[in-house]
Amino acid sequence: GAVVSQHPSRVICKSGTSVKIECRSLDFQATTMFWYRQFPKKSLMLMATSNEGSKATYEQGVEKDKFLINHASLTLSTLTVTSAHPEDSSFYICSAWRASGNTIYFGEGSWLTVV
Amino acid sequence: AQSVAQPEDQVNVAEGNPLTVKCTYSVSGNPYLFWYVQYPNRGLQFLLKYITGDNLVKGSYGFEAEFNKSQTSFHLKKPSALVSDSALYFCAVTRGSSGNTPLVFGKGTRLSVIA
Repeated sequence: GAVVSQHPSRVICKSGTSVKIECRSLDFQATTMFWYRQFPKKSLMLMATSNEGSKATYEQGVEKDKFLINHASLTLSTLTVTSAHPEDSSFYICSAWRASGNTIYFGEGSWLTVV
Repeated sequence: AQSVAQPEDQVNVAEGNPLTVKCTYSVSGNPYLFWYVQYPNRGLQFLLKYITGDNLVKGSYGFEAEFNKSQTSFHLKKPSALVSDSALYFCAVTRGSSGNTPLVFGKGTRLSVIA
Protein backbone atom coordinates (compact mmCIF):
# COMPACT_ATOMS: atom_id res chain seq x y z
CA GLY A 1 0.00 0.00 0.00
CA ALA A 2 0.87 3.65 -0.28
CA VAL A 3 3.41 4.95 2.18
CA VAL A 4 2.94 8.60 1.23
CA SER A 5 -0.56 10.02 0.97
CA GLN A 6 -1.63 13.24 -0.70
CA HIS A 7 -4.92 15.03 -0.25
CA PRO A 8 -6.90 16.13 -2.11
CA SER A 9 -6.27 14.15 -5.26
CA ARG A 10 -8.18 16.71 -7.28
CA VAL A 11 -9.25 20.22 -6.47
CA ILE A 12 -10.84 23.04 -8.41
CA CYS A 13 -10.63 26.55 -7.06
CA LYS A 14 -11.49 30.02 -8.25
CA SER A 15 -8.87 32.54 -9.25
CA GLY A 16 -7.69 34.58 -6.32
CA THR A 17 -8.42 31.99 -3.69
CA SER A 18 -5.95 29.80 -1.81
CA VAL A 19 -5.81 26.05 -1.75
CA LYS A 20 -3.93 23.69 0.53
CA ILE A 21 -2.50 20.32 -0.42
CA GLU A 22 -1.42 17.87 2.26
CA CYS A 23 1.35 15.30 2.10
CA ARG A 24 1.55 12.64 4.80
CA SER A 25 4.01 9.87 5.41
CA LEU A 26 1.86 7.03 6.64
CA ASP A 27 4.15 4.63 8.41
CA PHE A 28 7.40 6.47 8.87
CA GLN A 29 8.69 9.79 10.06
CA ALA A 30 9.96 12.08 7.36
CA THR A 31 12.24 14.89 8.40
CA THR A 32 12.51 15.89 4.76
CA MET A 33 9.81 16.08 2.12
CA PHE A 34 9.97 17.44 -1.39
CA TRP A 35 7.38 19.18 -3.52
CA TYR A 36 7.36 18.85 -7.30
CA ARG A 37 5.26 20.24 -10.07
CA GLN A 38 4.58 18.34 -13.26
CA PHE A 39 3.18 19.80 -16.46
CA PRO A 40 1.36 17.52 -18.88
CA LYS A 41 3.69 15.05 -20.54
CA LYS A 42 6.67 16.69 -18.88
CA SER A 43 9.16 15.74 -16.25
CA LEU A 44 8.97 16.70 -12.61
CA MET A 45 10.21 20.11 -11.56
CA LEU A 46 11.42 20.44 -7.99
CA MET A 47 9.74 23.35 -6.25
CA ALA A 48 11.08 23.14 -2.74
CA THR A 49 12.54 21.01 -0.01
CA SER A 50 10.46 20.90 3.13
CA ASN A 51 12.30 20.40 6.40
CA GLU A 52 10.48 19.56 9.60
CA GLY A 53 10.65 22.39 12.07
CA SER A 54 12.40 24.84 9.78
CA LYS A 55 11.80 26.94 6.72
CA ALA A 56 11.52 25.31 3.36
CA THR A 57 14.25 25.69 0.81
CA TYR A 58 12.86 26.93 -2.47
CA GLU A 59 14.29 26.37 -5.91
CA GLN A 60 15.31 29.30 -8.01
CA GLY A 61 12.34 30.87 -9.71
CA VAL A 62 9.75 29.50 -7.30
CA GLU A 63 7.87 32.21 -5.44
CA LYS A 64 7.97 31.35 -1.77
CA ASP A 65 5.21 33.81 -0.93
CA LYS A 66 2.94 32.19 -3.46
CA PHE A 67 3.73 28.57 -2.67
CA LEU A 68 3.72 28.36 1.11
CA ILE A 69 5.19 25.20 2.55
CA ASN A 70 4.78 24.12 6.14
CA HIS A 71 6.32 21.00 7.65
CA ALA A 72 4.92 21.17 11.14
CA SER A 73 5.26 17.53 12.08
CA LEU A 74 7.36 14.55 11.14
CA THR A 75 4.53 13.09 9.10
CA LEU A 76 2.90 16.09 7.47
CA SER A 77 3.93 18.75 5.01
CA THR A 78 1.49 21.14 3.38
CA LEU A 79 1.69 23.20 0.22
CA THR A 80 -0.60 26.20 0.03
CA VAL A 81 -1.03 27.90 -3.31
CA THR A 82 -2.02 31.46 -2.47
CA SER A 83 -3.97 33.80 -4.72
CA ALA A 84 -4.18 31.07 -7.31
CA HIS A 85 -4.22 31.89 -11.01
CA PRO A 86 -5.10 29.66 -13.95
CA GLU A 87 -1.40 29.27 -14.77
CA ASP A 88 -0.96 27.57 -11.40
CA SER A 89 -3.08 24.71 -12.67
CA SER A 90 -0.86 21.68 -12.63
CA PHE A 91 -0.14 18.29 -11.11
CA TYR A 92 1.61 18.67 -7.77
CA ILE A 93 3.49 15.71 -6.30
CA CYS A 94 5.13 15.36 -2.95
CA SER A 95 7.76 12.90 -1.85
CA ALA A 96 9.27 11.90 1.44
CA TRP A 97 12.63 10.44 2.33
CA ARG A 98 12.47 7.29 4.37
CA ALA A 99 15.68 6.89 6.34
CA SER A 100 15.33 3.16 6.82
CA GLY A 101 15.96 1.84 3.37
CA ASN A 102 17.27 5.22 2.22
CA THR A 103 14.50 5.58 -0.34
CA ILE A 104 12.28 8.40 -1.50
CA TYR A 105 8.58 7.61 -1.83
CA PHE A 106 6.07 9.65 -3.77
CA GLY A 107 2.49 10.56 -3.15
CA GLU A 108 -0.21 9.95 -5.71
CA GLY A 109 -0.23 13.59 -6.74
CA SER A 110 -2.81 16.34 -6.63
CA TRP A 111 -4.45 17.87 -9.66
CA LEU A 112 -5.09 21.56 -9.19
CA THR A 113 -7.36 23.39 -11.60
CA VAL A 114 -7.81 27.11 -11.17
CA VAL A 115 -10.80 28.57 -12.96
CA ALA B 1 25.66 19.37 -11.14
CA GLN B 2 24.04 15.97 -10.97
CA SER B 3 21.93 15.06 -13.96
CA VAL B 4 20.48 12.14 -15.85
CA ALA B 5 19.55 11.83 -19.47
CA GLN B 6 16.96 9.61 -21.06
CA PRO B 7 17.69 9.69 -24.78
CA GLU B 8 14.42 8.10 -25.90
CA ASP B 9 11.06 9.80 -25.63
CA GLN B 10 9.25 6.61 -26.62
CA VAL B 11 10.08 2.92 -26.60
CA ASN B 12 7.83 0.38 -28.29
CA VAL B 13 8.17 -3.32 -27.67
CA ALA B 14 6.07 -6.37 -28.36
CA GLU B 15 4.62 -8.25 -25.43
CA GLY B 16 6.91 -11.07 -24.36
CA ASN B 17 10.02 -9.42 -25.79
CA PRO B 18 12.78 -8.01 -23.61
CA LEU B 19 12.70 -4.29 -22.98
CA THR B 20 15.36 -1.72 -22.25
CA VAL B 21 14.85 1.88 -21.21
CA LYS B 22 18.06 3.85 -21.35
CA CYS B 23 19.51 6.26 -18.84
CA THR B 24 22.90 7.89 -18.58
CA TYR B 25 24.10 9.97 -15.70
CA SER B 26 26.51 12.75 -14.94
CA VAL B 27 27.51 13.15 -11.32
CA SER B 28 30.33 14.24 -9.15
CA GLY B 29 31.12 11.63 -6.57
CA ASN B 30 29.22 8.41 -6.11
CA PRO B 31 25.78 8.37 -7.68
CA TYR B 32 22.54 7.42 -6.01
CA LEU B 33 20.40 6.33 -8.97
CA PHE B 34 16.71 5.49 -9.10
CA TRP B 35 14.03 4.31 -11.47
CA TYR B 36 10.38 5.25 -11.01
CA VAL B 37 7.28 4.44 -13.03
CA GLN B 38 4.27 6.69 -13.48
CA TYR B 39 0.89 5.50 -14.66
CA PRO B 40 -1.58 8.03 -16.12
CA ASN B 41 -2.72 10.65 -13.63
CA ARG B 42 -0.85 8.94 -10.81
CA GLY B 43 2.16 9.60 -8.65
CA LEU B 44 5.49 7.87 -9.06
CA GLN B 45 6.09 4.32 -7.96
CA PHE B 46 9.55 3.27 -6.87
CA LEU B 47 11.05 0.46 -8.96
CA LEU B 48 14.65 0.16 -7.85
CA LYS B 49 17.75 2.02 -6.81
CA TYR B 50 21.51 1.78 -6.90
CA ILE B 51 23.49 3.11 -3.99
CA THR B 52 26.47 0.81 -3.81
CA GLY B 53 27.28 -2.86 -4.13
CA ASP B 54 26.29 -5.17 -6.96
CA ASN B 55 26.03 -3.49 -10.30
CA LEU B 56 22.91 -5.48 -11.19
CA VAL B 57 19.98 -4.24 -9.17
CA LYS B 58 16.72 -6.13 -9.05
CA GLY B 59 13.53 -4.26 -8.37
CA SER B 60 9.77 -4.46 -8.40
CA TYR B 61 7.59 -6.12 -11.05
CA GLY B 62 10.49 -8.06 -12.55
CA PHE B 63 12.51 -5.02 -13.50
CA GLU B 64 16.25 -4.76 -13.10
CA ALA B 65 18.91 -2.23 -13.92
CA GLU B 66 22.61 -2.45 -14.45
CA PHE B 67 24.95 0.20 -13.14
CA ASN B 68 27.83 0.66 -15.57
CA LYS B 69 30.42 3.06 -14.28
CA SER B 70 32.59 3.11 -17.40
CA GLN B 71 29.63 3.98 -19.61
CA THR B 72 27.93 6.10 -16.93
CA SER B 73 24.71 4.27 -17.63
CA PHE B 74 21.89 2.82 -15.58
CA HIS B 75 19.57 1.17 -18.10
CA LEU B 76 16.31 -0.35 -16.97
CA LYS B 77 15.54 -3.82 -18.26
CA LYS B 78 12.96 -6.55 -18.13
CA PRO B 79 13.32 -9.97 -19.78
CA SER B 80 9.71 -10.24 -20.92
CA ALA B 81 7.48 -7.21 -21.31
CA LEU B 82 3.82 -7.13 -20.33
CA VAL B 83 1.12 -4.88 -21.72
CA SER B 84 0.60 -3.64 -18.18
CA ASP B 85 4.18 -2.32 -18.17
CA SER B 86 3.06 0.45 -20.53
CA ALA B 87 3.70 3.66 -18.61
CA LEU B 88 6.06 6.59 -18.23
CA TYR B 89 9.45 5.73 -16.76
CA PHE B 90 11.75 8.17 -15.04
CA CYS B 91 15.40 7.79 -14.21
CA ALA B 92 16.60 9.98 -11.36
CA VAL B 93 19.69 10.82 -9.36
CA THR B 94 19.96 12.47 -5.99
CA ARG B 95 21.23 16.00 -6.21
CA GLY B 96 23.55 15.49 -3.28
CA SER B 97 25.69 12.64 -2.13
CA SER B 98 23.17 11.26 0.31
CA GLY B 99 19.67 9.90 0.02
CA ASN B 100 18.22 12.82 1.90
CA THR B 101 18.49 15.22 -1.00
CA PRO B 102 16.09 16.01 -3.83
CA LEU B 103 15.87 13.83 -6.88
CA VAL B 104 16.77 15.22 -10.27
CA PHE B 105 14.72 13.54 -12.97
CA GLY B 106 15.27 12.72 -16.57
CA LYS B 107 12.63 13.83 -19.02
CA GLY B 108 10.96 10.45 -18.94
CA THR B 109 10.51 7.65 -21.47
CA ARG B 110 7.12 6.44 -22.48
CA LEU B 111 7.04 2.67 -22.82
CA SER B 112 4.39 1.12 -24.96
CA VAL B 113 4.05 -2.66 -24.90
CA ILE B 114 2.01 -3.96 -27.78
CA ALA B 115 0.03 -7.16 -27.50
